[in-house]
Amino acid sequence: KQEVTQIPAALSVPEGENLVLNCSFTDSAIYNLQWFRQDPGKGLTSLLLIQSSQREQTSGRLNASLDKSSGRSTLYIAASQPGDSATYLCAVSPGNSGNTPLVFGKGTRLSVIA
Amino acid sequence: DTGVSQDPRHKITKRGQNVTFRCDPISEHNRLYWYRQTLGQGPEFLTYFQNEAQLEKSRLLSDRFSAERPKGSFSTLEIQRTEQGDSAMYLCASSFDPGQGSGELFFGEGSRLTVL
Repeated sequence: KQEVTQIPAALSVPEGENLVLNCSFTDSAIYNLQWFRQDPGKGLTSLLLIQSSQREQTSGRLNASLDKSSGRSTLYIAASQPGDSATYLCAVSPGNSGNTPLVFGKGTRLSVIA
Repeated sequence: DTGVSQDPRHKITKRGQNVTFRCDPISEHNRLYWYRQTLGQGPEFLTYFQNEAQLEKSRLLSDRFSAERPKGSFSTLEIQRTEQGDSAMYLCASSFDPGQGSGELFFGEGSRLTVL
């Protein structure tokens, strides 16, 4: 059974710092991996989608990498801002077909202090 | 298109009552998912549809839960005889599968259920 772990559970950084959020998964057979942001009491906002054949994706100040063989992904946030404060969730689609629903980690709660 | 829409956003009910949530996906998306999320946890899969066909149901989906997507557009999730343990955020998501597996998932704002 696929399990997703996110470390750390919470992180507090001063504004302007670059930071890395970690995600690991137990089974390297995945179809894709997706990073989401969730503000308190709200739904999830998709940040980046990485297909299993890809190594990384970039969007603005965000860069996500994928090392499928080691079961790891990282989300790099450059020049953090207070508006980046949220919970960041990693999710994988297990298997090779793209027909298995996403399995989520518990998230990393990020606070960026002005 | 304004994205995935869920209604109601909040529902407070007494134990034993029935509740129904509605989800309107992004119009061109053929897949629709329901997830449940409790405080401090990641979303847990409940069920999903490809067009009007319900393709998979989680063991979390007890007999008191039923979901439909009658015309392959909007979906409803009904919980009968609610229990306090049903209190959670119910999230709907949609995606487009071109026949090669699901693409990027887009979520709605969720429906928060509180059972007293």
